[in-house]
Amino acid sequence: DTGVSQNPRHKITKRGQNVTFRCDPISEHNRLYWYRQTLGQGPEFLTYFQNEAQLEKSRLLSDRFSAERPKGSFSTLEIQRTEQGDSAMYLCASSSQRVVPDTQYFGPGTRLTVL
Amino acid sequence: GDSVTQMEGPVTLSEEAFLTINCTYTATGYPSLFWYVQYPGEGLQLLLKATKADDKGSNKGFEATYRKETTSFHLEKGSVQVSDSAVYFCALIVVTGGGNKLTFGTGTQLKVEL
Repeated sequence: DTGVSQNPRHKITKRGQNVTFRCDPISEHNRLYWYRQTLGQGPEFLTYFQNEAQLEKSRLLSDRFSAERPKGSFSTLEIQRTEQGDSAMYLCASSSQRVVPDTQYFGPGTRLTVL
Repeated sequence: GDSVTQMEGPVTLSEEAFLTINCTYTATGYPSLFWYVQYPGEGLQLLLKATKADDKGSNKGFEATYRKETTSFHLEKGSVQVSDSAVYFCALIVVTGGGNKLTFGTGTQLKVEL
């Protein structure tokens, strides 16, 4: 069990640029989640996949955000036309549908800084 | 909607002191409850969980009991160590239609000093 991995760990970009983050879940997990965490706050839910299907999206996820999980394994989160307010830690988590209650395991996160 | 309220930090304790971090919740359904810990520079780690009323979750000397009557899930440890210094997050899940998003509190920073 290698855990959830995320790349890159840090990303610095200029306002208006596009960025893409990758998440590799624990291999036997079919559920994958994205959260966003700002300084001094708890993580906030962004979106959720079960296998390759995106089943839920938060209203926090504006049209500039898109997430994919094309083969039900790794996932990508893209932010287009970044804004300074997008600066945050982006967390990925995975879980198995067979475990009740759903117990999510988190990756180390990608810290985004928008200049 | 669902929400979690935690006591504000930072909480500063001497080594071997008793720890309590308060957590209360409101939920639209019957939640499962979790404590996660975030050590400096690291990701969130699951500390313990409880799925129904009166369940006690425990791990690494930490305990929390699911109290439905007071909608609480307070974290306790009898004797803290410097290595317990971290941010602790209380969270809940209410399973609705297959979605299982975690709702987190704002976190409580714990500092343990020698």
